[in-house]
Parts: sequence; C-alpha cells; structure tokens
Amino acid sequence: DIQMTQSPSTLSASVGDRVTITCRASENVSSWLAWYQQKPGKAPKLLIYKASNLKSGVPSRFSGSESGTEFTLTISSLQPDDFATYYCQQYNHYVTFGGGTKVE
Amino acid sequence: QLQLQESGPGLVKPSETLSLTCTVSGGSISSSLYYWGWIRQPPGKGLEWIGSIYYSGSTLYNPSLRSRVTMSVDTSKNQFSLKLSSVSAADTAVYYCARLEGYSRSSLDVWGQGTTVTVSS
Repeated sequence: DIQMTQSPSTLSASVGDRVTITCRASENVSSWLAWYQQKPGKAPKLLIYKASNLKSGVPSRFSGSESGTEFTLTISSLQPDDFATYYCQQYNHYVTFGGGTKVE
Repeated sequence: QLQLQESGPGLVKPSETLSLTCTVSGGSISSSLYYWGWIRQPPGKGLEWIGSIYYSGSTLYNPSLRSRVTMSVDTSKNQFSLKLSSVSAADTAVYYCARLEGYSRSSLDVWGQGTTVTVSS
C-alpha cells in the first residue's frame, strides 16, 4: 500500500496568510496526486488534479506543486471561505488519501 | 449539471450486509469517459476509497476490503450500487459516491452529499 503522510495535521492561520500543506508519499506516485477541500458536514471538493492542475472554477489562489514524492498545496492569501480540512489523494496505485490537514 | 445521490438504510446490524445505491442525474452513467466510485469516512476520521466501477461492470476494489465488497451497475436506471458484507462497528461511516475522471483510479470530481450508515444492534 502507498501511504500518504500529510503535515501538519492542524494549522492555525489568519486571513491573508500564505498557507502551505505538505503531503509525502511512501513511494513514487508520479504526478497522480489530487487535493480536496472538505467543510464540516459536506462532501470533499476537488481543487487540484495531477499534482498541479487547477480544477475549473477553483480560485487561482490555490496551487499545487511536486518534488519527487513530496507534494505541496499552497493558498497564496487565505480567505474566510478557506477554513476547512484539506486532503491529498494518490491514484498511481489503487487510491489512498492522506490523513488531512485542518486549517483553523 | 451532474448530480449524485446516495440512498439506503441508515442502520445495519452487525454481521449483516450494507447495501447502498447511487443515482446519477444530469448525465449518463454509460459515458465511456468516467468510472464511478464509493468512498467512506468514519466519524471524525479521514477518507477511505472502497472501490470503482465502469458502466460495463468492470471493477477495482480496495485490497483491504475486497473480500467483503461487491459493486454493480444498472445502466437502465442510471445507478450503481455497493454491498459490504459482514459489517461491524468499524464500518460505521458516511458513505459517498463519486465520479472518477477517466480511470478506475483517478481524481474524484463530482461527489454525492453522503449518507450516514451506523452499524449497531
């Protein structure tokens, strides 16, 4: 199984902050990595696919990057609507999710 | 606009079989461009992919659940279904259905709202 390790598990930030969330894969997943945003009581929402491709309609303050087996989700200027939990997902070998990062 | 809606019993007894259906509206489940999947989320925990199915019936299951999972598709009703056998309290979760882009293992771009299933006697 490919394990996805997200850090930090909780992140305290303020509106306007630049926020970075990291996801490390236990082995190579190529660029088959997605990021999701989930708010309480709601289904996850796809933000980024194939490591750095922004889904249509998602604000451009969200971006994704990769370096080897380490992937990063960046929010360039945190907005009030962005307080949520974020998950990474690899889909190179079956499908596995990271443990989540709560932005509070 | 594509919408997915889960349905099924909210309470299942231990050792019995959990059965859920996902109804797709605003698009065809028979599209060659997509797979369809189930994901679950135990209370207060993270996401777990259960499996994916194509309109032809081809499936890919999570190895950790494979022995207990059966997925099927009914193109005439634009629905796909999940059966999880021999359930225990550990199977209590919100169950989501979703669309996968292009492959059995892919990103999930459209989700249902989720349905809560509790395993309890």
